[in-house]
Amino acid sequence: QKEVEQDPGPLSVPEGAIVSLNCTYSNSAFQYFMWYRQYSRKGPELLMYTYSSGNKEDGRFTAQVDKSSKYISLFIRDSQPSDSATYLCAMSMNRDDKIIFGKGTRLHILP
Amino acid sequence: KAGVTQTPRYLIKTRGQQVTLSCSPISGHRSVSWYQQTPGQGLQFLFEYFSETQRNKGNFPGRFSGRQFSNSRSEMNVSTLELGDSALYLCASSSRTSYNEQFFGPGTRLTVL
Repeated sequence: QKEVEQDPGPLSVPEGAIVSLNCTYSNSAFQYFMWYRQYSRKGPELLMYTYSSGNKEDGRFTAQVDKSSKYISLFIRDSQPSDSATYLCAMSMNRDDKIIFGKGTRLHILP
Repeated sequence: KAGVTQTPRYLIKTRGQQVTLSCSPISGHRSVSWYQQTPGQGLQFLFEYFSETQRNKGNFPGRFSGRQFSNSRSEMNVSTLELGDSALYLCASSSRTSYNEQFFGPGTRLTVL
């Protein structure tokens, strides 16, 4: 079983829809959870950073962590064509520990 | 504030050669991490340097090595290149107080022929 599982997609949704991206993980020791966005031919860009369980909102983005189910989600409201990118979940056990990434989900927002 | 820079952006090498990639972190960031990204394996952690010392290491063979200089700039070296080393190599920098909040460079695309 891989440490972090993420559906590669592609996921295609119409503009304006709510997008839900998810990751599952096997290591219950993970405490720090991140979401990165990566455009083609660019490096990943940090979108959301959360510690432990709960929700965090930033503009149109909401990150959700359910440690009891070992499941994290990223919701994008009012999706725009500019949101089309690959989204990678990432997590680590401690603040100074190495970060484990999911393989990413390719998202296409259709105008 | 300038972002993370990586040089060169593109590189073509042949099997058996060696290669050195360079990364300049964001000013004030002392931690530099290196990753290999391929379509099959995704983003995989190579190693991390903090204050010129390797602090974390991934599961890559000894052909992959790195170092960090006193100005926090970092280099990564791959010796005896193999076809499977073709990948996008990314470096990321972070501050000491927030290691997990990493800022990535644009990457170096390495092709091994």
